[in-house]
Amino acid sequence: DAKTTQPTSMDCAEGRAANLPCNHSTISGNEYVYWYRQIHSQGPQYIIHGLKNNETNEMASLIITEDRKSSTLILPHATLRDTAVYYCIVGTSGTYKYIFGTGTRLKVLA
Amino acid sequence: DVKVTQSSRYLVKRTGEKVFLECVQDMDHENMFWYRQDPGLGLRLIYFSYDVKMKEKGDIPEGYSVSREKKERFSLILESASTNQTSMYLCASRPGTLGLGYTFGSGTRLTVV
Repeated sequence: DAKTTQPTSMDCAEGRAANLPCNHSTISGNEYVYWYRQIHSQGPQYIIHGLKNNETNEMASLIITEDRKSSTLILPHATLRDTAVYYCIVGTSGTYKYIFGTGTRLKVLA
Repeated sequence: DVKVTQSSRYLVKRTGEKVFLECVQDMDHENMFWYRQDPGLGLRLIYFSYDVKMKEKGDIPEGYSVSREKKERFSLILESASTNQTSMYLCASRPGTLGLGYTFGSGTRLTVV
């Protein structure tokens, strides 16, 4: 399965959009991009996933580049409650061993 | 609201004890997983199960075993607890359907003294 690279940490002002990048240059054609977040002392929470097209749900938007080698998770109006570690992972529907790296620690500032 | 429930939020056990961590999901998911999470190491997969009575080793299975006698329940067993097994343990489940993501439990923080 492809590996991902994310920045270690980011800050974002409350109310502004938070844009979290992820590189997955070795992604293969049948691998999805998944995003999760983990608020301190809780289990990770699923946010969104996509294959080729951009996706949006009530939590976030996912923008995947045309070559699929990178993606960006967008939290349109970040709140203090969005402070968390965000994980980008890739895998196929049949993948059992998703690799969670150390993610991006997002701090939303008042 | 769908749930993955881990039986204990915090546990303290003694070295050498046999420890059982229980996980129950109410979503009729085929796949279940046990991870441990340590600072600086991210989440590491211990074992997973893709069906009742089926199990596969993950990346760090040594010192652990698992049991899945019913679809909704996946147990992690520390045969003889050691201090290096002090960690946060996370259970997750996932349907077998194409592309869908995990649902995680809240975690069990195990301290072995």
